[in-house]
Amino acid sequence: AQSVTQLDSHVSVSEGTPVLLRCNYSSSYSPSLFWYVQHPNKGLQLLLKYTSAATLVKGINGFEAEFKKSETSFHLTKPSAHMSDAAEYFCVVSVSGGGGNKLTFGTGTQLKVEL
Amino acid sequence: DTGVSQDPRHKITKRGQNVTFRCDPISEHNRLYWYRQTLGQGPEFLTYFQNEAQLEKSRLLSDRFSAERPKGSFSTLEIQRTEQGDSAMYLCASSLMEWNEKLFFGSGTQLSVL
Repeated sequence: AQSVTQLDSHVSVSEGTPVLLRCNYSSSYSPSLFWYVQHPNKGLQLLLKYTSAATLVKGINGFEAEFKKSETSFHLTKPSAHMSDAAEYFCVVSVSGGGGNKLTFGTGTQLKVEL
Repeated sequence: DTGVSQDPRHKITKRGQNVTFRCDPISEHNRLYWYRQTLGQGPEFLTYFQNEAQLEKSRLLSDRFSAERPKGSFSTLEIQRTEQGDSAMYLCASSLMEWNEKLFFGSGTQLSVL
């Protein structure tokens, strides 16, 4: 079965400093991986997705993630945090089959950005 | 607003009552998904439709849960004889039928069972 593990439930950074949210995946073959963000009272929004075209994936709002097969990791980074980045972030693996795109979410990392 | 909309935003009910939620997907999307999210957890897949056909149901979806998408547009999720363990955020998402499609999520319906 495919799964993802988010290594930190809470991360706190200062505004203007780098962000690193860690995710490891487990998959028997090359997975499709995603990062979603959830702001309070808003729907989940796709940040970026990896589909084997390139190992470094750029997303919206300055975020990017690198797929490392040797480490089974897909960590999310941003060079400089902004107050508006405070939200919950989910690492997600896709299980395709039967025609649908079933997403398996990690438990989430709550990002806090301080002044 | 042309995103996925869900109604109601919040629902408080007493144990044993039936509740129904509605999801209106993005109009041209032929796939529709239901997920459930409990506090401190990521969303969990419940079921999905391709047009009006319900193609997959999770083991999480007990007999008390039923979902429909009668005309391939909006969908309803009904929970009969609610239990306190049903308290959660119920999320709807829609997508186009394509390889590695992008899912668009609604804001969810927060259910509280007293």
